[in-house]
Amino acid sequence: KAGVTQTPRYLIKTRGQQVTLSCSPISGHRSVSWYQQTPGQGLQFLFEYFSETQRNKGNFPGRFSGRQFSNSRSEMNVSTLELGDSALYLCASSTQDRDEGQYFGPGTRLLVL
Amino acid sequence: AQSVTQPDIHITVSEGASLELRCNYSYGATPYLFWYVQSPGQGLQLLLKYFSGDTLVQGIKGFEAEFKRSQSSFNLRKPSVHWSDAAEYFCAVGFNDMRFGAGTRLTVKP
Repeated sequence: KAGVTQTPRYLIKTRGQQVTLSCSPISGHRSVSWYQQTPGQGLQFLFEYFSETQRNKGNFPGRFSGRQFSNSRSEMNVSTLELGDSALYLCASSTQDRDEGQYFGPGTRLLVL
Repeated sequence: AQSVTQPDIHITVSEGASLELRCNYSYGATPYLFWYVQSPGQGLQLLLKYFSGDTLVQGIKGFEAEFKRSQSSFNLRKPSVHWSDAAEYFCAVGFNDMRFGAGTRLTVKP
């Protein structure tokens, strides 16, 4: 089975712009979660989507949003970028069977200048 | 609220020596517990997980972890470390909204 894929892998933006990141889960996985990883804050949960509905949300401002499509692919969007949004954004997918655990993609590294 | 503490930011061990990485959690109910490993510039790879049952869990790459409810701990162990084990290790609690510890960076001396 192919793993979780994320595109693009690297991205450079300037302050004030917006960005959209994409995640394709493992085939058959219907849950997609997003995480932000920074040296200062570590790994932080952004949100989780299941069957096109946001099921859980972390403590991030409304500039961070996401969606999930009927094929379980997910996108996250960050509007009005700030320097502090520079991070590695990780996507993870899982099945409904919690015994399976979450499987992570390689991440998208975003640099905001 | 669920949370995870990894007390050791950086650990150095010699190749062939044993390893134990500490993890303490705070969780309201029976926790879902995980250990992940991250190599530089890479995503996270699942090493092992605990949901219920046998408190000693075997994972990939020769790692194991023991769940101790009385100590709220889920420490990761490996009997003999290889140079390729050098990486950052993360303990996590929860499930689709996981909370991660700050990570422990493992350096392996030749």
